[in-house]
Amino acid sequence: EDKVVQSPLSLVVHEGDTVTLNCSYEVTNFRSLLWYKQEKKAPTFLFMLTSSGIEKKSGRLSSILDKKELFSILNITATQTGDSAIYLCAPSAGGGNKLTFGTGTQLKVEL
Amino acid sequence: NAGVTQTPKFRILKIGQSMTLQCTQDMNHNYMYWYRQDPGMGLKLIYYSVGAGITDKGEVPNGYNVSRSTTEDFPLRLELAAPSQTSVYFCASSDTSGSRSYEQYFGPGTRLTVT
Repeated sequence: EDKVVQSPLSLVVHEGDTVTLNCSYEVTNFRSLLWYKQEKKAPTFLFMLTSSGIEKKSGRLSSILDKKELFSILNITATQTGDSAIYLCAPSAGGGNKLTFGTGTQLKVEL
Repeated sequence: NAGVTQTPKFRILKIGQSMTLQCTQDMNHNYMYWYRQDPGMGLKLIYYSVGAGITDKGEVPNGYNVSRSTTEDFPLRLELAAPSQTSVYFCASSDTSGSRSYEQYFGPGTRLTVT
């Protein structure tokens, strides 16, 4: 059975802090790993990672994949209150490119 | 482009009633998906489709049915609603070509309560 574990489950930080969110996975026929941000509505896409060791960056967010250790991290630097959300990790696998979601990390950024 | 649209936004059903959740995408995507999200949990795949006329079960298909007669539409049917089906339902679609292939675009969701 496919499995995705995210840690920590929740996190409270102050504005300006840097956070690292973790995702470990075990899926059959792995294709890529996706990160989504969810703020009380539909998930919005952040990154798709297909190759190990290549960092993807978008502003203050970055992510990297380790396909040997079956692990990915999402970093957010200089956090802002607008970063408060649930961050979901989802490896895609098999025909149909199905996503298996972790339970997410709930991030709260306080002033 | 409207992207992925879902109707209704909210619905309350009595136990045993039936309903269809509608999903339409205007991006000409081949792949479409239905997920449910229970409080405090990640999304779980119910059904998916890789093209018109082709559907397959996901992780939690029991109690649901789907059809895909056109590229644009992927309705989800609940035949005999049960309290365990109280959840938020998301439809998603993805393309299979280009630089953003396999990124799934989500609709706004339908919040369903069964009492």
